[in-house]
Amino acid sequence: EAQVTQNPRYLITVTGKKLTVTCSQNMNHEYMSWYRQDPGLGLRQIYYSMNVEVTDKGDVPEGYKVSRKEKRNFPLILESPSPNQTSLYFCASTKTGLHSGNTIYFGEGSWLTVV
Amino acid sequence: AQKVTQAQTEISVVEKEDVTLDCVYETRDTTYYLFWYKQPPSGELVFLIRRNSFDEQNEISGRYSWNFQKSTSSFNFTITASQVVDSAVYFCALRGYTGANSKLTFGKGITLSVRP
Repeated sequence: EAQVTQNPRYLITVTGKKLTVTCSQNMNHEYMSWYRQDPGLGLRQIYYSMNVEVTDKGDVPEGYKVSRKEKRNFPLILESPSPNQTSLYFCASTKTGLHSGNTIYFGEGSWLTVV
Repeated sequence: AQKVTQAQTEISVVEKEDVTLDCVYETRDTTYYLFWYKQPPSGELVFLIRRNSFDEQNEISGRYSWNFQKSTSSFNFTITASQVVDSAVYFCALRGYTGANSKLTFGKGITLSVRP
């Protein structure tokens, strides 16, 4: 079954304690990205990756890091989380190339609270 | 730069009413894709429809229909005979053709409440 898997789904953490949200896809997709969703702001892209070892900033990258060492995994790293990073996070993947209209698959979301 | 505007923030209707959710977009790409997603209270994003910029044909799927008008840069979504299960947040999104524009740009979402 085609899927994007995020972990953890729910997390409460404290300010400054490093955390990683993992994302894995089983569809051999080149393109992966992270979004955060906040009330009244919709979903905003944090980082994206066009392929292995190729990452770039999205609209709201401050306070986040990513890596793409393998095609299937795209972890989101919060080195020193702060309360303003409390949000719902989505990982997404899709094929790239000429078919940018390909289906975009989303993970189920990770609810992160930083206290 | 790409932009998606969903001017309506909250809509409340009584069951069986028809409701239209508006979406206006901006892009410089000549090839692009438009999407609608539904987010029920459980939080996941449910894909509803994808439309490419070369296909202005309207689409109907059961109680759902979409009206794509390139001349006004709009991609509106109508639910006919709404039901309580339609209560959710609905997002319109735009995806460009290449590079940074191949990201999905979302509108801010419309919260639809359908009352019994």
